Amino acid sequence: AQKVTQAQTEISVVEKEDVTLDCVYETRDTTYYLFWYKQPPSGELVFLIRRNSFDEQNEISGRYSWNFQKSTSSFNFTITASQVVDSAVYFCALSEANRGSTLGRLYFGRGTQLTVWP
Amino acid sequence: ETGVTQSPTHLIKTRGQQVTLRCSSQSGHNTVSWYQQALGQGPQFIFQYYREEENGRGNFPPRFSGLQFPNYSSELNVNALELDDSALYLCASSQNTYTQGGEAFFGQGTRLTVV
Repeated sequence: AQKVTQAQTEISVVEKEDVTLDCVYETRDTTYYLFWYKQPPSGELVFLIRRNSFDEQNEISGRYSWNFQKSTSSFNFTITASQVVDSAVYFCALSEANRGSTLGRLYFGRGTQLTVWP
Repeated sequence: ETGVTQSPTHLIKTRGQQVTLRCSSQSGHNTVSWYQQALGQGPQFIFQYYREEENGRGNFPPRFSGLQFPNYSSELNVNALELDDSALYLCASSQNTYTQGGEAFFGQGTRLTVV
């Protein structure tokens, strides 16, 4: 069963627009972690954020913010005032931590290609 | 930079050949995971090594094998290469404990092309 769904395959915005990337996850574990990674054309996955299942507080880091809602199993990512340098593929990922899970194993969504036009 | 380095960065192999990819993990990290990322897809978990032992495996055939060394660096070996093995192979290192997995930091990847 697919554990992480990123329904948006591609998004295009013009610079300075706000953009939200959606992520829906599925797990039976009570303890889990959610992640967002950025993958620029160079290929390396850049870690952006990690949240655990017991902390539903939204987080803001500069122009980035994350909205975690357990009730809807969603962990959405918003970029405010987007810039050309934000153009990349963004991946949402899930890691499960209950007994029987491989600690740190990441289940990735298929990614969302974000293009920001000048 | 994450401190995770992979070699080589690019590789071209012929179907049926064998390949070895290498990963040097970040200092202080005891866990290495390997992922395969096909074009246009998200990374798929191949396996994980924790303190030199395989600690979990994804849905990959036995011709995908690995090693972790005492310094926690790692190798991924693929035998009898098939065209579908063409992908970006990513290595991730993390500091895992018995109860909690840490953030995974990725290398730049090895792009393997099988012809």
